[in-house]
Amino acid sequence: AQSVTQPDIHITVSEGASLELRCNYSYGATPYLFWYVQSPGQGLQLLLKYFSGDTLVQGIKGFEAEFKRSQSSFNLRKPSVHWSDAAEYFCAVSPRSNDYKLSFGAGTTVTVRA
Amino acid sequence: DARVTQTPRHKVTEMGQEVTMRCQPILGHNTVFWYRQTMMQGLELLAYFRNRAPLDDSGMPKDRFSAEMPDATLATLKIQPSEPRDSAVYFCASGLQGDSTEAFFGQGTRLTVV
Repeated sequence: AQSVTQPDIHITVSEGASLELRCNYSYGATPYLFWYVQSPGQGLQLLLKYFSGDTLVQGIKGFEAEFKRSQSSFNLRKPSVHWSDAAEYFCAVSPRSNDYKLSFGAGTTVTVRA
Repeated sequence: DARVTQTPRHKVTEMGQEVTMRCQPILGHNTVFWYRQTMMQGLELLAYFRNRAPLDDSGMPKDRFSAEMPDATLATLKIQPSEPRDSAVYFCASGLQGDSTEAFFGQGTRLTVV
């Protein structure tokens, strides 16, 4: 069955520290991969996406993600978090076809402490 | 500033009443998604349209939910009759097939059924 797993429900990190959020997928073939962020009371905003090519993808707000085919993973990272990074983060996948509906992981809530 | 607009932002209604949520996709986008977000289930895809035609509504309870696109600038999601278990945030997203498959999300409609 196709699935997206975010193993960490909640992560707390100190401001200025590094952050890594995990995402694993189970798909018949490598799907399109995305990371979205949701601030409280807001919709989802795309941080970055991977389709092909360089496996290290740069996104907005200083985020990057690395695609590892051997591990079926697409982990999100940020070298130094800011208090404004406190939010919920969703990994999403979409099949490589005309049918590009997004399927989301359960999300990881990030708390940033001063 | 192109954005997906959802109305209303908040809706409180009594069980049994009809609820209609509206979405104005980004001009030119040909794909529209409806998602429901709850604490228990996370983000669930209810339905999506391409060029105003429904492609997949398998995630939607058919007995009470209906989704339509009367024209290219309006998508509606209707619940009749509403039940307390329908309480959730409903998101609309739009995208352009063939253009990086990115989906742009609205701010959501928070529905409370009492």
